[in-house]
Amino acid sequence: KAGVTQTPRYLIKTRGQQVTLSCSPISGHRSVSWYQQTPGQGLQFLFEYFSETQRNKGNFPGRFSGRQFSNSRSEMNVSTLELGDSALYLCASSTDRDNSPLHFGNGTRLTVT
Amino acid sequence: GEDVEQSLFLSVREGDSSVINCTYTDSSSTYLYWYKQEPGAGLQLLTYIFSNMDMKQDQRLTVLLNKKDKHLSLRIADTQTGDSAIYFCAESLKEGYSTLTFGKGTMLLVSP
Repeated sequence: KAGVTQTPRYLIKTRGQQVTLSCSPISGHRSVSWYQQTPGQGLQFLFEYFSETQRNKGNFPGRFSGRQFSNSRSEMNVSTLELGDSALYLCASSTDRDNSPLHFGNGTRLTVT
Repeated sequence: GEDVEQSLFLSVREGDSSVINCTYTDSSSTYLYWYKQEPGAGLQLLTYIFSNMDMKQDQRLTVLLNKKDKHLSLRIADTQTGDSAIYFCAESLKEGYSTLTFGKGTMLLVSP
């Protein structure tokens, strides 16, 4: 079974631009979550989608948004990029049953210059 | 409130056992997880334990949970150089199984 796939692996953007990251969950997984990883703040929860609906949201500004499609694939978008948005963005999927852990992809490394 | 704490660094010799410790503050935690991250990679799920369990063993890995003290540990037997990585402890709450709170990670360095 293929794991969680994130594209692209690396991105370089300029301040003020916007970016879209993509995530394909493990087949059969309907819940997709996004996390931001930075050296200073560590791993922080961004949001979670299930059945095309945002179910939980972390403490991030409205510039961070996401969506989920009917095939469970998800995208996240960051608008008006700031230097502090440079991070590793990790996507995770799960079946959303009680004992179903999160499986993470290899992430997208975003660098904002 | 939610807070997960780990020691930042652990150094062991190949063949020794490694014990990585974690404390958490939220008593309503349902599942506790251990993830491994190698350089340039995402998070690899190692093992997890439900909050009503005391111990779980999976090959070289042993997880111990002391719910009274809110203390979780991961023991790696016969540690190998390939085990060198950052290990993250994480907790999930009943309200959101997919919403994990992570510790800052423990860097494990295994020397030959």
